[in-house]
Amino acid sequence: QQQVKQSPQSLIVQKGGISIINCAYENTAFDYFPWYQQFPGKGPALLIAIRPDVSEKKEGRFTISFNKSAKQFSLHIMDSQPGDSATYFCAASIGGSYIPTFGRGTSLIVHP
Amino acid sequence: NAGVMQNPRHLVRRRGQEARLRCSPMKGHSHVYWYRQLPEEGLKFMVYLQKENIIDESGMPKERFSAEFPKEGPSILRIQQVVRGDSAAYFCASSPLPALELAGGEQYFGPGTRLTVT
Repeated sequence: QQQVKQSPQSLIVQKGGISIINCAYENTAFDYFPWYQQFPGKGPALLIAIRPDVSEKKEGRFTISFNKSAKQFSLHIMDSQPGDSATYFCAASIGGSYIPTFGRGTSLIVHP
Repeated sequence: NAGVMQNPRHLVRRRGQEARLRCSPMKGHSHVYWYRQLPEEGLKFMVYLQKENIIDESGMPKERFSAEFPKEGPSILRIQQVVRGDSAAYFCASSPLPALELAGGEQYFGPGTRLTVT
């Protein structure tokens, strides 16, 4: 059973455009939602994270939007750049748990 | 401060052989986690270790897989009698604090070992 569903599987965006990746979860006990960025040949790196007490968190060009009632959250990358080309994973965990449940990932390509 | 180091980066084994994957956590980190990533899949938790202790191995296959984190030296994930289905990327992560004190995201990942079983 996949507890965190991520879409799309792949995404192509032009430089300067907005990249949007969506995730939906099932377990209402989840209360921490990180996003990871992974470049080819590298390990995942924490990009940005949100807790359900806020509906939005912004760090630079990266924004997480969170909809608790719909059990959905999304990553928006504004002014996408070729250097943003990577695989992005959403994840969810229960407070205090060290075992995040990962989505399947989205391969983002930003064309120059 | 060097990051999490894993070696080898690539490992090729024939079916039935043993695979040993090594992970050196970041300096000052005494908590290590192993994950497996299958093609086009997210990371799946395998095991959480502290020095000389296995804290949680709920994600570890019951047979052929074992992990250790000795007092001295790197953490080792060992796969005996490998099969083709073991082909995957294996990532190690480390953290400076006990897992329950983390917000959930402060794990630092290594570059991974890509295991290919022929």
